[in-house]
Amino acid sequence: DAKTTQPPSMDCAEGRAANLPCNHSTISGNEYVYWYRQIHSQGPQYIIHGLKNNETNEMASLIITEDRKSSTLILPHATLRDTAVYYCIVRVAGTYKYIFGTGTRLKVLA
Amino acid sequence: DTGVSQNPRHKITKRGQNVTFRCDPISEHNRLYWYRQTLGQGPEFLTYFQNEAQLEKSRLLSDRFSAERPKGSFSTLEIQRTEQGDSAMYLCASTIVPLALGTQYFGPGTRLLVL
Repeated sequence: DAKTTQPPSMDCAEGRAANLPCNHSTISGNEYVYWYRQIHSQGPQYIIHGLKNNETNEMASLIITEDRKSSTLILPHATLRDTAVYYCIVRVAGTYKYIFGTGTRLKVLA
Repeated sequence: DTGVSQNPRHKITKRGQNVTFRCDPISEHNRLYWYRQTLGQGPEFLTYFQNEAQLEKSRLLSDRFSAERPKGSFSTLEIQRTEQGDSAMYLCASTIVPLALGTQYFGPGTRLLVL
C-alpha cells in the first residue's frame, strides 16, 4: 500500500516560513500528492496538490523532488491561525483509497 | 452554507445499540467518501461512492458497518451492535473533479462515543 511519513511535530515562529516535509517513496508514477490540514477537531481542509512540478497557490507552495519520493509544504509567512495538523496524502494506485498517515502537528509561536 | 454537512455532530450511545449518521455533500458533487478518525490518528478510509454506486470498501468496514447513497445525493453510515472500539470521529467528504485531481471537501464530522 502507499504510505506517507511525516515528522510528528514542528514549531515555527510567527511570520517565518514553515517547511513541512513528507516522505512518500512508494507513490506510483501518475498519482498526485495532496496536502490537507486539520484545525482542532474540524474536518480536514484542502491546501494544495501536485504531480511533478512545484506548485503555488494563495495558501502555500509545494516542492516535489525530482524522483517524487518526497515533498515539502511551505507556508511562507506562518500565522498563529496556521497552527494545525498537516497531512500529506497519496492515493493507492488502482483504488479509490486515500492514505492520510499521522500528520505533522505544527505549532506557530508568537 | 453550501459546504458538506453531517448530522448529528455528536452521538453518545450504549454498547450494542445501532446508530446512523447522515452526510449531505456539496450539491453538484457526485463522489462521496467516508472516513473514520481516532484520537491522535489521521483519517482512515472507509468507503467510496460514485453517484449511488458503492465502488470501494475498506477492510476496516466490518459486517456491522453499512453505507448507502440511495439517490446519489445524501449518504448514510450505519453501525449495528456498536462496540466501544467504534468510538471515533466519522468524517464525510465529497468531490466532483476527475479522480486524479480529487480535491475532497470535508464535513465537520460526527463524533461517536460508545459507553
